[in-house]
Amino acid sequence: QSALTQPASVSGSPGQSITISCTGTSSDVGGFNYVSWYQQHPGKAPKLMIYFVTNRPSGLSNRFSGSKSGNTASLTISGLQAEDEADYYCSSNRNSSTLHVVFGGGTKLTVL
Amino acid sequence: EVQLVESGGGLVQPGGSLRLSCEVSGFIFRSFVMSWVRQAPGKGLEWVSAVSASGDSTYYADSVKGRFTISRDNSKNTLYLQMNSLRAEDTAVYYCAKYLVHTTHLDYWGQGTLVTVSS
Repeated sequence: QSALTQPASVSGSPGQSITISCTGTSSDVGGFNYVSWYQQHPGKAPKLMIYFVTNRPSGLSNRFSGSKSGNTASLTISGLQAEDEADYYCSSNRNSSTLHVVFGGGTKLTVL
Repeated sequence: EVQLVESGGGLVQPGGSLRLSCEVSGFIFRSFVMSWVRQAPGKGLEWVSAVSASGDSTYYADSVKGRFTISRDNSKNTLYLQMNSLRAEDTAVYYCAKYLVHTTHLDYWGQGTLVTVSS
């Protein structure tokens, strides 16, 4: 069982927006702003999409955005495109004094 | 261009050992914390271990503590993971990843190396 809880799957049509949730506790998601989101296409390495809850790496599309409320973080993808179809994982640190990272179980995004 | 290239994976019997390597380029290796993350077939990501920039401090998931050892050679720009007493549940693709400075965000990943533990 993963430390952070994500829906197993979400889907949307091209052009629509979807949101993926990531629920933890006050010991991880709720306690710190070290929430990240990763995109993983089949057979490929994960790619950092969002860090510090809301920040996008340089060059990443602004269709991807992050937020957090309490113990739940969210990733929103607007203007869905076929290439967005992938697995998405959230992560957080577990303790501010260590480098221990916890991941969500992953969400499969299907673009209909 | 930042590159992380893992090697050393393969088939090993339960109870056996394996050492993974991750050779990096494109950034100042000695300045960054590094990590290993694994992914069992068809499953999600699991953080395994991390090592400080100097190599003095190491961190492990409970599932591998006492069996795996992370280390680095800053003169060779290489990260290692020594895996002992391997179990079937250690079967996974192992990725090395770089931490974004002073954070727990993993901003660059290697392509992964597959470790299969089976008799």
